[in-house]
Amino acid sequence: SAVISQKPSRDICQRGTSLTIQCQVDSQVTMMFWYRQQPGQSLTLIATANQGSEATYESGFVIDKFPISRPNLTFSTLTVSNMSPEDSSIYLCSVIAGGSGELFFGEGSRLTVL
Amino acid sequence: KNEVEQSPQNLTAQEGEFITINCSYSVGISALHWLQQHPGGGIVSLFMLSSGKKKHGRLIATINIQEKHSSLHITASHPRDSAVYICAVRSAVGGTSYGKLTFGQGTILTVHP
Repeated sequence: SAVISQKPSRDICQRGTSLTIQCQVDSQVTMMFWYRQQPGQSLTLIATANQGSEATYESGFVIDKFPISRPNLTFSTLTVSNMSPEDSSIYLCSVIAGGSGELFFGEGSRLTVL
Repeated sequence: KNEVEQSPQNLTAQEGEFITINCSYSVGISALHWLQQHPGGGIVSLFMLSSGKKKHGRLIATINIQEKHSSLHITASHPRDSAVYICAVRSAVGGTSYGKLTFGQGTILTVHP
């Protein structure tokens, strides 16, 4: 299994600022993902966080807007840059446990941009 | 057409009722996950299926690979089961697509006492 600590759990930010979300896993995992969940919507994959190399972004998401770091197999950060109200969402990190293939999610970071 | 379709979108039940949520998908998968999301936003994985049936307490999940369909059943439903239930499929394609999930829109379940 994997226990994920994600923070902040929520934040209210001003337009034009940036926020960094942290995701700490209690075990080493290969596959780590960042998702966005806009109000009333399901989850959308932002990127796959790759250890030691640049993240792999999905269509519609770019590194300048959502820079991701993954310095080791237990930790990653997602930054939401130059925020606008449209960025108001829940952001979640998720991992796949290597042996079982089970999914684990962080508690989510609820971001409100004014 | 979405790759993963869930039905119903909203479901209201009385405590004790038997509940079924359905998920149909159109792509080749290596696994299907049923997830539960409570109002606070946190997501818990309920089941991971690649074939057959699994049971955990009052929850039962089945999958038919040939028909590309899965169901989640809740027996003797309880108000604490009220949550959003999400079906997600994991791509069978390798390379950079490996492990990627495609999510259904979710089913909002409300169980009244």
